[in-house]
Amino acid sequence: QKEVEQNSGPLSVPEGAIASLNCTYSDRGSQSFFWYRQYSGKSPELIMFIYSNGDKEDGRFTAQLNKASQYVSLLIRDSQPSDSATYLCADGINDYKLSFGAGTTVTVRA
Amino acid sequence: GAGVSQSPSNKVTEKGKDVELRCDPISGHTALYWYRQSLGQGLEFLIYFQGNSAPDKSGLPSDRFSAERTGGSVSTLTIQRTQQEDSAVYLCASSQRQGQYFGPGTRLTVT
Repeated sequence: QKEVEQNSGPLSVPEGAIASLNCTYSDRGSQSFFWYRQYSGKSPELIMFIYSNGDKEDGRFTAQLNKASQYVSLLIRDSQPSDSATYLCADGINDYKLSFGAGTTVTVRA
Repeated sequence: GAGVSQSPSNKVTEKGKDVELRCDPISGHTALYWYRQSLGQGLEFLIYFQGNSAPDKSGLPSDRFSAERTGGSVSTLTIQRTQQEDSAVYLCASSQRQGQYFGPGTRLTVT
């Protein structure tokens, strides 16, 4: 059974610091990886996707993928209070049916 | 452009009644998904439609749950004889590669 594991947190970081979130996945056949942000009471919002080993940067977000070690991470630079949310990791063999982790809750302290 | 829409946003029903939840995906998206999320929990996959293929129903928790997708667009999730444990937020998502886009959800409360 496919599993995506995340530390549930909460991860508390001071404003302006880097928040580092990690995710491991069990299916070596997974090819696509996604990070979603979910604010309390809202639905998940896609923030990043990555397919290749290495880093992918988008604004203050950097996704890192290491297929050999089966982990994917998300760095949030210059963390802001508005980044306080639950972050969901997901993987898939293709872009369609995904497996989601339970999420890591991040709190950014002003 | 318009995102995924769901209706109703909230539904309160009595135990034993049937409910229908509706999802309008993003225009042109061939894939449509239903998930359930209980308070403080992760996403529970329910069902997946891809184009004209037979749906993947592997996540449906019981035969009280069913879903249809008409004309490759709008989808309806039906829960028959609702139970209190069915109370959750039901999320619909659609995709056309590169990630799924979620609707705002329907909060179902079974009393």
